[in-house]
Amino acid sequence: NAGVTQTPKFQVLKTGQSMTLQCAQDMNHEYMSWYRQDPGMGLRLIHYSVGAGITDQGEVPNGYNVSRSTTEDFPLRLLSAAPSQTSVYFCASTEGTVFSGELFFGEGSRLTVL
Amino acid sequence: AQSVTQPDIHITVSEGASLELRCNYSYGATPYLFWYVQSPGQGLQLLLKYFSGDTLVQGIKGFEAEFKRSQSSFNLRKPSVHWSDAAEYFCAVRADSNYQLIWGAGTKLIIKP
Repeated sequence: NAGVTQTPKFQVLKTGQSMTLQCAQDMNHEYMSWYRQDPGMGLRLIHYSVGAGITDQGEVPNGYNVSRSTTEDFPLRLLSAAPSQTSVYFCASTEGTVFSGELFFGEGSRLTVL
Repeated sequence: AQSVTQPDIHITVSEGASLELRCNYSYGATPYLFWYVQSPGQGLQLLLKYFSGDTLVQGIKGFEAEFKRSQSSFNLRKPSVHWSDAAEYFCAVRADSNYQLIWGAGTKLIIKP
């Protein structure tokens, strides 16, 4: 099993550009989520999904869009990148629709916005 | 509001010495508590969890944690650290709603040879 796979691992954008961070899991997990990690701030939830066709906002959703058309994939879209979105992004998943908190993480995507 | 506090930003420990990382939470009922570890350049991995029952829980890599309701704490311990334990450690509590964890800011563990 590959687990949770994120692409790309590194990306540099200019302000105003758009891009999509990809996340795929092969564990048939219903729950998937996106976090951003900034120094000294722990992890902050951006968006999450409890199944195909169902998404909801987390703590810091502004500037980000998500969709969940399949169980396996949960892409994160930045429509118009801003320097404040420079961060490391993690995708995480867990089985079931009752959230236990036992998350499986990808290796992260480091995004720099100039 | 729920919160998690990890008072130590950095901790330096000699290889072979014991380790205790502190975590305090605010929550009214019995919380679901977690410790995750992040090695440099990697994602996070679950070390151990507490849901209910025995307040001393064992995890992977020789770690354990003790839930103390009276102190609102869930401290992580290891009797003897190895150089490979150098990483950042995060404490988290499951939120009441919204399918999310509330995270501490993390403690970076540095191992002295």
